[in-house]
Amino acid sequence: DAGVTQSPTHLIKTRGQQVTLRCSPKSGHDTVSWYQQALGQGPQFIFQYYEEEERQRGNFPDRFSGHQFPNYSSELNVNALLLGDSALYLCASSSGDSYNEQFFGPGTRLTVL
Amino acid sequence: AQKITQTQPGMFVQEKEAVTLDCTYDTSDPSYGLFWYKQPSSGEMIFLIYQGSYDQQNATEGRYSLNFQKARKSANLVISASQLGDSAMYFCAMREGPSYGNAGNMLTFGGGTRLMVKP
Repeated sequence: DAGVTQSPTHLIKTRGQQVTLRCSPKSGHDTVSWYQQALGQGPQFIFQYYEEEERQRGNFPDRFSGHQFPNYSSELNVNALLLGDSALYLCASSSGDSYNEQFFGPGTRLTVL
Repeated sequence: AQKITQTQPGMFVQEKEAVTLDCTYDTSDPSYGLFWYKQPSSGEMIFLIYQGSYDQQNATEGRYSLNFQKARKSANLVISASQLGDSAMYFCAMREGPSYGNAGNMLTFGGGTRLMVKP
């Protein structure tokens, strides 16, 4: 049973560019959440997708957008990259039937130069 | 106010001894859940244990147990018989709202505690 997978593992971009990160949830899970973790800090919630719609959103600008596909996989897009967007981006999946578990993927480390 | 507070930035423990990692939380929602995750240097967040606000007993998972004191709003993680592989960052997190349904289940994390196990 595959867990949560994310791609790519690492990414280097320059300021002003755009980036797309991808996540496939654990089998049986239909809800995908994205978190940003800056170095030395706890993860911060970006947004959550359920039934292909954004259900919850944290305090992040509109430069951060996402999408969920019919197979429950998800993308995180960040436009006009800033140096401060450098972080580990974590994807978590869960099931709408039970929020007692949220499993995370290995993360994508984004470096903005 | 901080919703999740972890007051120990770093801790040392001797191998084979028990250690307690502190977590206090703040919420006015009667229904919530508390999670602990382990994050090794590789970066992946590994789920350890969960406690629901209405659970009568403290949660346990192998060597991990959660000391849930609802009136004090604390949810400390106890690791028994520490192993070298337990060296990592540990995060406490909270979900506010019911454990199912359409409200969503975003997590709010604390700042983490770095645990170092000494041989």
